[in-house]
Amino acid sequence: GESVGLHLPTLSVQEGDNSIINCAYSNSASDYFIWYKQESGKGPQFIIDIRSNMDKRQGQRVTVLLNKTVKHLSLQIAATQPGDSAVYFCAESPNSGYSTLTFGKGTMLLVSP
Amino acid sequence: EPEVTQTPSHQVTQMGQEVILRCVPISNHLYFYWYRQILGQKVEFLVSFYNNEISEKSEIFDDQFSVERPDGSNFTLKIRSTKLEDSAMYFCASSEYRDRVSEQYFGPGTRLTVT
Repeated sequence: GESVGLHLPTLSVQEGDNSIINCAYSNSASDYFIWYKQESGKGPQFIIDIRSNMDKRQGQRVTVLLNKTVKHLSLQIAATQPGDSAVYFCAESPNSGYSTLTFGKGTMLLVSP
Repeated sequence: EPEVTQTPSHQVTQMGQEVILRCVPISNHLYFYWYRQILGQKVEFLVSFYNNEISEKSEIFDDQFSVERPDGSNFTLKIRSTKLEDSAMYFCASSEYRDRVSEQYFGPGTRLTVT
């Protein structure tokens, strides 16, 4: 079946660097995408979302880019901090009004001081 | 800041036993969800619940599973006869609106270990 996946399982960066976490999706019907952060021992925490009619959306220190042509989603974190160390999941929904999500496997971001 | 809470944080049970995982959603939320995450794997949707009935469920949510809102604050997931493969983290989530997927708030999870 179609699924959402991640290119890199682990990303190590230095504090202050910009981080880019990537996600590939295969369901062309996907309409809505979310990035989650999951710290150790905690549940997923919403970071930012984007709809398929957009190609970029910015939040506080984070930017999500969507390339529908190649079915690619990325999360950019500016000035990465040690507190950003976590697993980051992308998730997709074929219908933005739909309450179920399909999650990717996750990328571990490790930030060194 | 309001948060979803879950108890217990870790549950160990023997195969074939019944377990009940408990969740207290955010008080003004109307939609409730259970997800699970087998160690090292993706988070998977199990079930959504609204107005005292199941709204949607996945293929994982078979007859061994049931959900209930026994009172005005708790939301429970029951597994009637646990199997080894039920070992996972179980996350409860709640939201105020169904259509705002981004506004699902997740609890910290219950780690279920079936031996």
